[in-house]
Amino acid sequence: DAKTTQPNSMESNEEEPVHLPCNHSTISGTDYIHWYRQLPSQGPEYVIHGLTSNVNNRMASLAIAEDRKSSTLILHRATLRDAAVYYCILFPRGSTLGRLYFGRGTQLTVWP
Amino acid sequence: DAGVIQSPRHEVTEMGQEVTLRCKPISGHNSLFWYRQTMMRGLELLIYFNNNVPIDDSGMPEDRFSAKMPNASFSTLKIQPSEPRDSAVYFCASSLTGPSNQPQHFGDGTRLSIL
Repeated sequence: DAKTTQPNSMESNEEEPVHLPCNHSTISGTDYIHWYRQLPSQGPEYVIHGLTSNVNNRMASLAIAEDRKSSTLILHRATLRDAAVYYCILFPRGSTLGRLYFGRGTQLTVWP
Repeated sequence: DAGVIQSPRHEVTEMGQEVTLRCKPISGHNSLFWYRQTMMRGLELLIYFNNNVPIDDSGMPEDRFSAKMPNASFSTLKIQPSEPRDSAVYFCASSLTGPSNQPQHFGDGTRLSIL
């Protein structure tokens, strides 16, 4: 299983942009990059995913390096509600197994 | 739209008792997952069903754990007999057919404490 490396924790002030990095140097050409987050006392929540191109949705943006060995989740304006653990996960395209491997993730603290 | 529904939200029971956790996936989803989360091990997959059939149960810790999915709208995870080390938060998730680009939708979990 391809591994990802994320910082243990990051901090941000409210209404500032947040860039959450993820290294995945052993990624294969068919691995999707997924991001989930887990708010306190809740189940993980899907945020965004991509393969090669940068992706945007209502929650965040995903910037993928040209060599795909790293990616960055971008929260354009952090709010207090964005304080959570963020997980970067690789998922093989076409896999018949639904296995998501959650690492330790990055604990994001947002200060008012 | 209703999300994944788990019950109970909290369960406290004594060692040796049988514990049954329940999950109702999102309507139309045909993949269902059971996860366990602890401080020590993080979030780990226990078992995965596709179209009500168990596909991967390699994460089930031992024979004390069993999971069933009798129909598309209901699944159970049973622990018998329970032990204190089974204390954890158990999550159920569902998604459309298992292709890799389909997000999983998680319930709010069952917090299980075995005394």
